[in-house]
Amino acid sequence: EPEVTQTPSHQVTQMGQEVILRCVPISNHLYFYWYRQILGQKVEFLVSFYNNEISEKSEIFDDQFSVERPDGSNFTLKIRSTKLEDSAMYFCASSDGRGVAEETQYFGPGTRLLVL
Amino acid sequence: KNEVEQSPQNLTAQEGEFITINCSYSVGISALHWLQQHPGGGIVSLFMLSSGKKKHGRLIATINIQEKHSSLHITASHPRDSAVYICAVQGGSEKLVFGKGMKLTVNP
Repeated sequence: EPEVTQTPSHQVTQMGQEVILRCVPISNHLYFYWYRQILGQKVEFLVSFYNNEISEKSEIFDDQFSVERPDGSNFTLKIRSTKLEDSAMYFCASSDGRGVAEETQYFGPGTRLLVL
Repeated sequence: KNEVEQSPQNLTAQEGEFITINCSYSVGISALHWLQQHPGGGIVSLFMLSSGKKKHGRLIATINIQEKHSSLHITASHPRDSAVYICAVQGGSEKLVFGKGMKLTVNP
């Protein structure tokens, strides 16, 4: 069964460093998402991406964050200058996107980011 | 802004018990999702529903749009059902708004 994959599974970085989290969505999906979950807290929406542009973003997704689909398979989240509070599990998700917003979203296994 | 509340926050059950997890939300929605988060952190989508009821194996999800409430039922619970169950809602866009989740432990 097709699945969303994410790399790396864990990343440790120093405060102020740039990190790139990578995701390979399900191949025929058109909508892509990033979510994050700070330890012990609820999952939060960061951004959705469709047709090579941001479709919607939350107030968390400030200028320090960016997303890109550099080729036909990868979808990346970049944090330019990490802060301690960026430590979280980051989930990528994708959905079919065949015309309605209300679709099952398929989640990747997550990347656990620790900023020291 | 939609507020999503889940109850109970934690539940411990014995194998075989019938379990109900509740979710309420404050603003009208276009769809509600039930998700399962495993101890390792991975999230699996269980159901997406806009009205009525859906069933998959031992899981049943219902939604009452007028009362802004949904329930997830697990029949004949098993230790492998132990996980965090999360309710998330959509309000006409792709964005999901999540509840805090309910941690279920099923003992043999």
